[in-house]
Amino acid sequence: GAVVSQHPSWVICKSGTSVKIECRSLDFQATTMFWYRQFPKQSLMLMATSNEGSKATYEQGVEKDKFLINHASLTLSTLTVTSAHPEDSSFYICSARVGTNYGYTFGSGTRLTVV
Amino acid sequence: AQSVTQLGSHVSVSEGALVLLRCNYSSSVPPYLFWYVQYPNQGLQLLLKYTSAATLVKGINGFEAEFKKSETSFHLTKPSAHMSDAAEYFCAVSDSNSGYALNFGKGTSLLVTP
Repeated sequence: GAVVSQHPSWVICKSGTSVKIECRSLDFQATTMFWYRQFPKQSLMLMATSNEGSKATYEQGVEKDKFLINHASLTLSTLTVTSAHPEDSSFYICSARVGTNYGYTFGSGTRLTVV
Repeated sequence: AQSVTQLGSHVSVSEGALVLLRCNYSSSVPPYLFWYVQYPNQGLQLLLKYTSAATLVKGINGFEAEFKKSETSFHLTKPSAHMSDAAEYFCAVSDSNSGYALNFGKGTSLLVTP
């Protein structure tokens, strides 16, 4: 149980284009979704927290106009990388809290390559 | 803001030896602490978590960790390393002040030698 399906698993896009990443909670309602970015051989950095029906809260240094997060329903949260550039190439992972015992489930990640 | 510090970005042990990966945390409110493992090109797998119950937490694959409030530590141990334990290990903390977002340490790469 408590599965988050993340798509696409990998994407290559041209510089200047936008890419949308989707995370769907398949068997539970994800009130809150966390978005992370992981550069090669580095840790996961929290980018933003999104709550269903409200604006996302971005971490310091994350450009909210570049990384658009939408959490319009309890089962879908999306991250759109707008006007992508090569430096945005990274591994993006979503995560949701599950249950009341501090469980977290993670999407399988999206590897974005901007060329 | 809460944070975790993992001492040692790389740790090398011999097969059969004790594994000790260090994690210290900082939090102004009671923390919840986690250890995750990540194998190459894979997602995160939860090893164990501390959520204010028993301070000695046992996890999967023979790993355990002890929450020591006085030392603000949550070190991960395993009595005998297997070759299959070679991976990247992340300590993470969450608390009410962070909206329960997980904040990860920089990670420790564990190498197991024959």
